[in-house]
Amino acid sequence: GAVVSQHPSRVICKSGTSVKIECRSLDFQATTMFWYRQFPKQSLMLMATSNEGSKATYEQGVEKDKFLINHASLTLSTLTVTSAHPEDSSFYICSARATGTGTGDMNTEAFFGQGTRLTVV
Amino acid sequence: GNSVTQMEGPVTLSEEAFLTINCTYTATGYPSLFWYVQYPGEGLQLLLKATKADDKGSNKGFEATYRKETTSFHLEKGSVQVSDSAVYFCALSDLYFNAGKSTFGDGTTLTVKP
Repeated sequence: GAVVSQHPSRVICKSGTSVKIECRSLDFQATTMFWYRQFPKQSLMLMATSNEGSKATYEQGVEKDKFLINHASLTLSTLTVTSAHPEDSSFYICSARATGTGTGDMNTEAFFGQGTRLTVV
Repeated sequence: GNSVTQMEGPVTLSEEAFLTINCTYTATGYPSLFWYVQYPGEGLQLLLKATKADDKGSNKGFEATYRKETTSFHLEKGSVQVSDSAVYFCALSDLYFNAGKSTFGDGTTLTVKP
């Protein structure tokens, strides 16, 4: 099956520092990856769509300068939370969609990483 | 745009009770439908899915049928266990519009008591 690995699973950082979260597709190529944020006891909200080799597309209300996304290869996307503050503390989850055309499970389903719990102190 | 409306929780059941969590959706294209489960402090796990109308997804005793006529994908289990206690998310992903982008319901917290 398709596996997406997200690292780190937990991180605690000081206010004002930057944190990088990695999302890797281990056994498939992913042209498109998605970054979600989940506040406690709430649902997942899409932050941005990351496309390999091009700029990410951010959802309304998400600060692109604060949440830097890089998708430099077909198997890796990174989310960097810059100048983190306590209000950025949250659960961040990535997902990846397999590259390719046509129908089939690999093209309708996005595979999720295990998430990163960020705590800014 | 796409949206998912999920039964509000929390839901508390006794072990071996019957479970239904309602989910309805609106979509502009041809969505695939999913149920995910999230255990405390963990990420999302795919529970089951259905990719076209009348498909039934099933896994670990859970079932859901893709009903296009009622735009629904209700989750059911005949006999819940304490280990089923978790948050359940209904979601859709549209192949032809923003393929792979997932739209989630608000989640339903299930607690099963012995």
